[in-house]
Amino acid sequence: EIVLTQSPGTLSLSPGERATLSCRASQSVGSNFFAWYQQKPGQAPRLLIHGATNRATGVPDRFSGSGSGTDFTLTISRVEPDDFAVYYCQQYGDPPPVTFGQGTKVEIK
Amino acid sequence: QVQLVQSGAEVKKPGASVKVSCKASGYTFTGYYMHWVRQAPGQGLEWVGRINPNIIGSNYAEKFQGRVTITRDTSSGTAYLELSRLKSDDTAVYFCARGRGFNYGYLDYWGQGTLVTVSS
Repeated sequence: EIVLTQSPGTLSLSPGERATLSCRASQSVGSNFFAWYQQKPGQAPRLLIHGATNRATGVPDRFSGSGSGTDFTLTISRVEPDDFAVYYCQQYGDPPPVTFGQGTKVEIK
Repeated sequence: QVQLVQSGAEVKKPGASVKVSCKASGYTFTGYYMHWVRQAPGQGLEWVGRINPNIIGSNYAEKFQGRVTITRDTSSGTAYLELSRLKSDDTAVYFCARGRGFNYGYLDYWGQGTLVTVSS
């Protein structure tokens, strides 16, 4: 199965700063079958990005996804107070099955 | 609007089985895969398996093979996850989530989660 490694483990930022979260796959993720989720304490994950670059419905445009092959990035252009959470990457390509990264926590500096 | 509503928390003893339900509404139940993902306390997300509600067909993560069964009732729009021979490290919140897109798909709507506690 494809192993996803996220970095950094924790990102300490002030509101208004730019956040760059990385996810590296152990092998190429075909056709950019790649997604990002946000999870706040006590809540279910929320889909942010699918197909590596496509924002889900209702997701603010300060969130953007990029990358291909084995290296993917989630960028928050200017972090807002509501964005402090844990972010997970997910691949859904070949070979199956679905796998997730271990998460990056974005915390208030 | 799409909603996935899961059954309530469960406490089970080691070796027992648990069955969690997920009732879907607001969309055509048979048109989308339903996935199950779990999260142990303080840990990340782990995919358990999925079912195609339109036909009898499920896929499971290798580590759960032989212990997990995902079923559905199309008449009520409900998916079920059953996990047997429970161990203490099965203690987790179990989420159902609707699958979209190609291949195994991404997960666009999630249930609220069901806490399963395994303790003697």
